[in-house]
Amino acid sequence: QSALTQPASVSGSPGQSITISCTGTSSDIGGFNSVSWYQQHPGKAPKLIIYDVSDRPSGISNRFSGSKSGNTASLTISGLQAEDEADYYCSSFTPTRTRVFGTGTKVTVL
Amino acid sequence: QVQLQESGPGLVKPSETLSLTCTVSGGSVGSGDYYWSWIRQPPGRGLEWIGYIYYSGSTNFDPSLKSRVSMSVDTSKNQFSLKLNSVTAADTALYFCARSPSATDLRFDYWGQGTLVTVSS
Repeated sequence: QSALTQPASVSGSPGQSITISCTGTSSDIGGFNSVSWYQQHPGKAPKLIIYDVSDRPSGISNRFSGSKSGNTASLTISGLQAEDEADYYCSSFTPTRTRVFGTGTKVTVL
Repeated sequence: QVQLQESGPGLVKPSETLSLTCTVSGGSVGSGDYYWSWIRQPPGRGLEWIGYIYYSGSTNFDPSLKSRVSMSVDTSKNQFSLKLNSVTAADTALYFCARSPSATDLRFDYWGQGTLVTVSS
């Protein structure tokens, strides 16, 4: 199972919106509505911010939103804040009931 | 509040077996409501899912590691464990344990803080 493809880095100014893409195949992202997104600050454990493509866990800001089209999922961060600077990983369920992660995207707030 | 805590040796010699344990508090490994995973992150790199175990002992592993991985669960101690044999330098990573509320999507809603394992002689 190959890793899902994400851009290595995305940047934006405070207050702007940015979108991170996550590209897979019809066997993972395209085949299931089980895409999740994680935020990881340096030295910390990842934190679930989106699940089931577009649902947010309790306590997660509505500035984070998710979507999917075909074999590509996307995470949008609106109203970018300094605290959003982190690494972001997508993840998808697979036909063999396993999980595959994306390559990761470093978000920089300019 | 659910908490997970990894423990185990921080240094393992090449060709030997890596053994880690995850202790769960604030929730029960034996409740049958969750699936318990191991995930690793090599230094400076991305996340890699290793596999999961259910309270019954049922497991599922990433195909690339399947031949070297085993997991076990001890409901009396509220712990689950990972063993990875024949390790090489490529297995050097930060190892996380995590919880999934379902086997049909395996999203990870709670994570341990991670433990660094270095493979070196």
